[in-house]
Amino acid sequence: DAGITQSPRHKVTETGTPVTLRCHQTENHRYMYWYRQDPGHGLRLIHYSYGVKDTDKGEVSDGYSVSRSKTEDFLLTLESATSSQTSVYFCAIRTGSSPLHFGNGTRLTVT
Amino acid sequence: QKEVEQDPGPLSVPEGAIVSLNCTYSNSAFQYFMWYRQYSRKGPELLMYTYSSGNKEDGRFTAQVDKSSKYISLFIRDSQPSDSATYLCAMSVVRSNDYKLSFGAGTTVTVRA
Repeated sequence: DAGITQSPRHKVTETGTPVTLRCHQTENHRYMYWYRQDPGHGLRLIHYSYGVKDTDKGEVSDGYSVSRSKTEDFLLTLESATSSQTSVYFCAIRTGSSPLHFGNGTRLTVT
Repeated sequence: QKEVEQDPGPLSVPEGAIVSLNCTYSNSAFQYFMWYRQYSRKGPELLMYTYSSGNKEDGRFTAQVDKSSKYISLFIRDSQPSDSATYLCAMSVVRSNDYKLSFGAGTTVTVRA
């Protein structure tokens, strides 16, 4: 898993509550990404970061925010969770010139 | 229309058969092509990647890219039950300050012992 830890691994929350997912890397890779995976859609980019405090939006960023105050941690926040945000969330890192390496995901259910 | 199209299957083959997977894409700016394998309840793991048109081999796996037709393929020879997984194609336009991948929906493969 290229030194990536996602937490929590599973979460069930209610509509309207805030949720924060954490991605932690054990090395000092500059680029970190958040994707969501849904049946029929594959993986879709939510947000990514190219350094501490440097972030940008992906194709499905509405309803999500991110923060990166340390190189090793990239946080994804759902300010007010909705049922459409029920999904599996994957964090990924870019290691040098190689393609992305992914964590094992967080399974989020919004009831 | 999605940028990357991939037949979701499912695909079921007997052990030892050749597995053939493919993706088509619409963005002619894509330059970098990858295949990922994803086991159930796990994250995608990189199998192969290439910049070039043509074939690239790695053991039992061959990746093929045809940029003129906007078509990529993955072949698995002598398939094993351990190859049962979902296979995702991915591609990107390589720029200096981002590295965003566009993924196919994934094809689920079962290799029967």
